[in-house]
Amino acid sequence: GAVVSQHPSRVICKSGTSVKIECRSLDFQATTMFWYRQFPKQSLMLMATSNEGSKATYEQGVEKDKFLINHASLTLSTLTVTSAHPEDSSFYICSATDLIAAGGMYFGPGTRLTVL
Amino acid sequence: GNSVTQMEGPVTLSEEAFLTINCTYTATGYPSLFWYVQYPGEGLQLLLKATKADDKGSNKGFEATYRKETTSFHLEKGSVQVSDSAVYFCALRSNTGNQFYFGTGTSLTVIP
Repeated sequence: GAVVSQHPSRVICKSGTSVKIECRSLDFQATTMFWYRQFPKQSLMLMATSNEGSKATYEQGVEKDKFLINHASLTLSTLTVTSAHPEDSSFYICSATDLIAAGGMYFGPGTRLTVL
Repeated sequence: GNSVTQMEGPVTLSEEAFLTINCTYTATGYPSLFWYVQYPGEGLQLLLKATKADDKGSNKGFEATYRKETTSFHLEKGSVQVSDSAVYFCALRSNTGNQFYFGTGTSLTVIP
């Protein structure tokens, strides 16, 4: 089946620094990838839709200047958390859809971000 | 609009018990329906899906039938195992786009 990877799986950083998270579709091309945030024991909250070659579409309430998304190729999207603060600590998950399969959404394993 | 309402948890069952997790949806058009499972510390994995009314998705002993008349997609398993302990998410995908709508998740714990 389709595989989506994320890197890193865990990251700990100091407040005020920026962190980049990569999301890759390993065996299919994804024109659209999605970034979610998940708080403990809660559902996924869609942050933004990442489109290859164009600007991301952000959900209401998500700061686009804080969560920078770049979809550089058909297999790679990156999320950069700029000037991270402790309240940004969360589990970030990306997903991509395999349009050829016309079926499900494939999720990355997630990145645990801890901001000290 | 599109939304998913999922049975609240947590659910605790003994091994070999019967499992039902209710899921109902509201959607415009004809969505596809999914169940995802999330094990502790991991991302979501597709468990099963159904793309049209009356379809039954099945995998690893889990089943769910797309019921248009009741707008439901309840997840069932006849005999749960300890290894089924996880959080289960019901989701729909609109037929007009790629966006998914998730339920709030149901935590399942199976005890020996």
